[in-house]
Amino acid sequence: EVQLVESGGGLVQPGGSLRLSCAASGFTVSSNYMSWVRQAPGKGLEWVSVIHSGGSTYYADSVKGRFTISRDNSKNTLYLQMNSLRAEDTAVYYCARQRDGFNVWDAFDIWGQGTMVTVSS
Amino acid sequence: EIVLTQSPGTLSLSPGERATLSCRASQSVSSSYLAWYQQKPGQAPRLLIYGASSRATGIPDRFSGSGSGTDFTLTISRLEPEDFAVYYCQQYGNSRTFGQGTKVEIK
Repeated sequence: EVQLVESGGGLVQPGGSLRLSCAASGFTVSSNYMSWVRQAPGKGLEWVSVIHSGGSTYYADSVKGRFTISRDNSKNTLYLQMNSLRAEDTAVYYCARQRDGFNVWDAFDIWGQGTMVTVSS
Repeated sequence: EIVLTQSPGTLSLSPGERATLSCRASQSVSSSYLAWYQQKPGQAPRLLIYGASSRATGIPDRFSGSGSGTDFTLTISRLEPEDFAVYYCQQYGNSRTFGQGTKVEIK
């Protein structure tokens, strides 16, 4: 079964760090375009970051310089390292796979269940 | 950044009725790279439509998408009880941005 399972969320103080993980099954992370998308409580969806199958990475302006997306091919797992966290980073974080592994631009067809990150003192 | 504006914010309809949801982009969306997602409370979004009008795998044919350029529409021909949810449009031709969502609620 094709599946994504996130972990690593929790409560962190402003200025702190957290690393989210997204374990994939049923497909190979490194052969696909993988993103992180977040959703603040009661709000809409916000794209955060993408890693291309070739390894290139891109970020939303709101997290550039603070967040780093990466992957471990041996573990078939996607990561999001989040530093210098702010209250406005509080959200459910989803990992998502793009539908076509060969197309830079495509919709997200597989989503994880999400992991909650709360930034508060 | 392409801004997507969805309307209406809330749509109150009865099962069996037709739902028409709008998504307007601040500039033309490349190659109709426009998707629609359904999200129910406590769940992840689910892809319904990609490429403005192609249904994703397993999506019933009561869901249809149309439009190009800056104006896109999601139509649910006859609402089933499980269709009451929040719907988001997303463009993926110039970075990736989402609309603010339309809630379809039971009247």
